[in-house]
Amino acid sequence: EADIYQTPRYLVIGTGKKITLECSQTMGHDKMYWYQQDPGMELHLIHYSYGVNSTEKGDLSSESTVSRIRTEHFPLTLESARPSHTSQYLCASRGGEQFFGPGTRLTVL
Amino acid sequence: QKEVEQNSGPLSVPEGAIASLNCTYSDRGSQSFFWYRQYSGKSPELIMFIYSNGDKEDGRFTAQLNKASQYVSLLIRDSQPSDSATYLCAVNMGITGFQKLVFGTGTRLLVSP
Repeated sequence: EADIYQTPRYLVIGTGKKITLECSQTMGHDKMYWYQQDPGMELHLIHYSYGVNSTEKGDLSSESTVSRIRTEHFPLTLESARPSHTSQYLCASRGGEQFFGPGTRLTVL
Repeated sequence: QKEVEQNSGPLSVPEGAIASLNCTYSDRGSQSFFWYRQYSGKSPELIMFIYSNGDKEDGRFTAQLNKASQYVSLLIRDSQPSDSATYLCAVNMGITGFQKLVFGTGTRLLVSP
């Protein structure tokens, strides 16, 4: 069973607020990823990291930013949330196989 | 052409039947392939992976890989209503050390009682 955690699981917030979505894993994986997924739609890779101090933008342009200061921790930040950011955000980490966290469902009013 | 292609479905099968889910990929150099199951509102769950040509069986699931045809499939035997979900095919692409999974759009499977 994968040990990858995301908090909060649900977040409802007003426009203009700064938010940070937390993701942590205890497997010691170097590779970590953030995906965005709307209901019934495909996964979109928005950020990834191959290790500490390594971050790259994914295939889908996103206004969010990420950091990777510790191997186990890969937070995602939105400086000013907007209704268009409403979505599910999924964090994943990878050794040989890739495992997903439970996701954060974000609603911006 | 998308890098990983799946029929979006829905694929409807009766309970007890075999469900066959298919996936094609564009990168001939890809070496590892994964199937994920995603229930509505949940995150994807890894159910199978396959690296070598041929079949790999795990319980009611069989993954089949044909690298020459750039084709990977997932068979679900004795399908149950609880198997109703979206099945995502993922292919490992990129240069060694900097690879990432490329996901298909998923095939929605409906198993009717």
